[in-house]
Formats: sequence, C-alpha cells, structure tokens
Amino acid sequence: NAGVTQTPKFQVLKTGQSMTLQCAQDMNHEYMSWYRQDPGMGLRLIHYSVGAGITDQGEVPNGYNVSRSTTEDFPLRLLSAAPSQTSVYFCASSLVLARSGGGELFFGEGSRLTVL
Amino acid sequence: TQLLEQSPQFLSIQEGENLTVYCNSSSVFSSLQWYRQEPGEGPVLLVTVVTGGEVKKLKRLTFQFGDARKDSSLHITAAQPGDTGLYLCAGGGADGLTFGKGTHLIIQP
Repeated sequence: NAGVTQTPKFQVLKTGQSMTLQCAQDMNHEYMSWYRQDPGMGLRLIHYSVGAGITDQGEVPNGYNVSRSTTEDFPLRLLSAAPSQTSVYFCASSLVLARSGGGELFFGEGSRLTVL
Repeated sequence: TQLLEQSPQFLSIQEGENLTVYCNSSSVFSSLQWYRQEPGEGPVLLVTVVTGGEVKKLKRLTFQFGDARKDSSLHITAAQPGDTGLYLCAGGGADGLTFGKGTHLIIQP
C-alpha cells in the first residue's frame, strides 16, 4: 500500500508565486488534514476535511486554500507565497476524525518548501 | 486552543540509561497519542491512551495517561540508539489532533 503520498518533496518559490502541494491517500480515509512543521513550533493544523466536499480551517489557515473533490485527494494551494510560509508541510489522513477514541493519523513523508 | 507542553525539549543520554518525557496540559483530552518522527519522515503512531490512569507497554516503552486525562508520560527503559528521534504527544480535539512541540531524543552509543 502506498498510504499517503505527497508531491513534490522539495520546492523553492519566489515571493508572490503560487503553487499547489498534492496529497493523495489510498486507504479510503474520510478525514484528511494539512499540517506545517516549524522549528520550535511543532505541528500546526492548517486545514482539514471530514469528507469529500467538506473543508474547514485549522489553527493557521491564512494564506492557504484547500478543496476536497474526491475522497482520495486533498491539495493545498498557496496563492501568493510569502517567506513566512517556508516550512515542512505534512498531509495526514485517518479513518475517523480524532475527536475521541484516538483515530490514528497516517502521515506523508512531507514537502519541504522554501520561499525566497 | 488546547495546548500541550512537552518536556524536556531536548534530551541526550547514553545507551542503556532510562528516561522519561512528559506531556502536560491544563485541558482535559478525550484521548492522547504518542508519535515518533525520524528525520525526513512523517510521524508514526506509537500508542493511543483513552482512559484516565491507563498504562500501556510497547516493548521497552511505557506510556501512562494521567488520572485526570490532562497529562501523559513516556518512559523508556534501557534506551538504544534506535530510539533516537522526535517524540510528539497529541491530544484529540474538535478539529483533529493538537500536537505538542516534541522532545528531541538522542541516544548515544
């Protein structure tokens, strides 16, 4: 099983450019999410989705857009990249929203983004 | 926002020693998970604890959930170099998981 697949693994952008980080999972998970990981800040939730057609904001949504047209895919769009968006981005999925009972989050390998 | 504080932030010990890392919050969590992350990879789940006072063992790793479900600890017995990594605790919430900042653990041979 591929699990959660993220592309690209590395990307360098100039300030103001746009790009999309791709995320796909093959486990038929309803819940998908995007986190960013920064030194000293831990993992912070950007956006999440509890099913196709449903998305919601997490802790740090500004500057990012998402959509969920299928169960498998959950792309993250940066409309106008800023240096503050330099980070490692992780896509994660789980069978259920980890509201209670602790649904296991399956993470991709991460996408390292540098904005100059 | 529910906050999870992990301590220590960094820990470097010799192979064979024991260690404990902590995850504390002022909020009550319905569940708490521990993940381990290696460089260049995503976090991987180690354990989930749900019941206050619960203790779970995974080989040399012992996880405990506080009675009030506000804190948790991870104890490693006879640490090995393969235990090196970033250990993250995460609490279940309305939007998903809230993560602590992690404990960077280095086990020196």
